[in-house]
Amino acid sequence: GENVEQHPSTLSVQEGDSAVIKCTYSDSASNYFPWYKQELGKRPQLIIDIRSNVGEKKDQRIAVTLNKTAKHFSLHITETQPEDSAVYFCAASSGNTGKLIFGQGTTLQVKP
Amino acid sequence: GAGVSQSPSNKVTEKGKDVELRCDPISGHTALYWYRQSLGQGLEFLIYFQGNSAPDKSGLPSDRFSAERTGGSVSTLTIQRTQQEDSAVYLCASSLDSPGSGGETQYFGPGTRLLVL
Repeated sequence: GENVEQHPSTLSVQEGDSAVIKCTYSDSASNYFPWYKQELGKRPQLIIDIRSNVGEKKDQRIAVTLNKTAKHFSLHITETQPEDSAVYFCAASSGNTGKLIFGQGTTLQVKP
Repeated sequence: GAGVSQSPSNKVTEKGKDVELRCDPISGHTALYWYRQSLGQGLEFLIYFQGNSAPDKSGLPSDRFSAERTGGSVSTLTIQRTQQEDSAVYLCASSLDSPGSGGETQYFGPGTRLLVL
C-alpha cells in the first residue's frame, strides 16, 4: 500500500542553525505534499504545502523542495528559534479522495 | 471564523463499551476526514466523506468502527465493543473541496483522546 518514510525521527539543533527533514513516498500518483507542525497536546497545524507541478516553495524561514522523479520531498527551516521546537509531519496525498498518508514524524528540538 | 471542533475532548471507557466521537467541520467544507494517532506515532487515515457519502472507508481497522455524516456537516465516528488497542487520539479534518480543485488543504480539529481501560 501507500507509504511515507520520514527521517530523522529526532533532530536537535542550536538556535540559529538550519534544520532539514526528509520524506520519501511510494505512490507515484501523489500530487499534494503538506507539512504539519504539532506541538505537545495540540492539533496538527499546516505550515507549508507543495503541489506536484512545483519544485520548490518558500515562506519566510520555511521552504519545501519536491523531486517527483525520486519521489522525495524535504522541509528546510532556516534561522531556527526555540518556538520551532515541535513534532513535524510530512504527508502525501493518495488516490482521488485527498486522503493523506503521513510520515512517522520528526521531533525537532531547538536549543537556545 | 470557527475552526474544526470535536467532542468530547477526552473519553475514558471500559473495554466492551461503545463510544461515539463527534466532529463539526468548518462551515462550507464539503470534505471531511477521520484520522487516528496513537501515542508517539503518525496519523493513520480512517475514512473520507464527500458530502454525506463515504467513498473511501479503506482505513477503518475493523467492522467495530463506523462513521456517518448528516446534512453535509457534522460527522460521528462510532466504535463498538471497544478494545484497549483502540486507545488513541482521534482527529477530524475538513477541507473546502475535493482534491484537484486547489481547495484540498486539510484543517484539523483538536482531537478526542480515547482511553479504553
